Amino acid sequence: DQQVKQNSPSLSVQEGRISILNCDYTNSMFDYFLWYKKYPAEGPTFLISISSIKDKNEDGRFTVFLNKSAKHLSLHIVPSQPGDSAVYFCAAGVARAGNQFYFGTGTSLTVIP
Amino acid sequence: DTGVSQNPRHKITKRGQNVTFRCDPISEHNRLYWYRQTLGQGPEFLTYFQNEAQLEKSRLLSDRFSAERPKGSFSTLEIQRTEQGDSAMYLCASSPSGGRREKLFFGSGTQLSVL
Repeated sequence: DQQVKQNSPSLSVQEGRISILNCDYTNSMFDYFLWYKKYPAEGPTFLISISSIKDKNEDGRFTVFLNKSAKHLSLHIVPSQPGDSAVYFCAAGVARAGNQFYFGTGTSLTVIP
Repeated sequence: DTGVSQNPRHKITKRGQNVTFRCDPISEHNRLYWYRQTLGQGPEFLTYFQNEAQLEKSRLLSDRFSAERPKGSFSTLEIQRTEQGDSAMYLCASSPSGGRREKLFFGSGTQLSVL
């Protein structure tokens, strides 16, 4: 049962434009959400997180938006750079109920120079 | 900060053999996680340690799997009587005890191929 879903396996964006990666979840108990970036032959790297008490968190070029009513979050990267080309994983967890994080299947982003 | 180190990077074994992987977390991190990632999927939680105590285990962790963290430092993951379905990338991650515990630092993983 996939509790965190990323329905777009891949995305291509021109350099300098905005990249929008989407993620949906089914478990209403999730109260914090994360994005990880993964380059080939490396482990995932933490990018940005958001708790359910917020609807937006920004860190430089990266902004995560959370829509709890729709059980949807998105990652915006602007402006996109070729070095952003990677696989992006959305993940979710319950802060007070263990230490298990649920990951989506990933979206492969290609930023075209 | 040398990062999370996993060894070996690759392991090829025959079905039925036992394999053991090692993870060295970031030294000041007392939380350690094992995840498994198969092709086309995201990482799936296997188990969690706080110091030397194994506090959580996924139902994915069958009886053939055992993980240890004997002194609260490095950890090992052993798979007994490997099956072809065990072929996956095994990822170790660590995080600090307080604050941003959701910020996991992953190693590069051990790619297991069971023939």
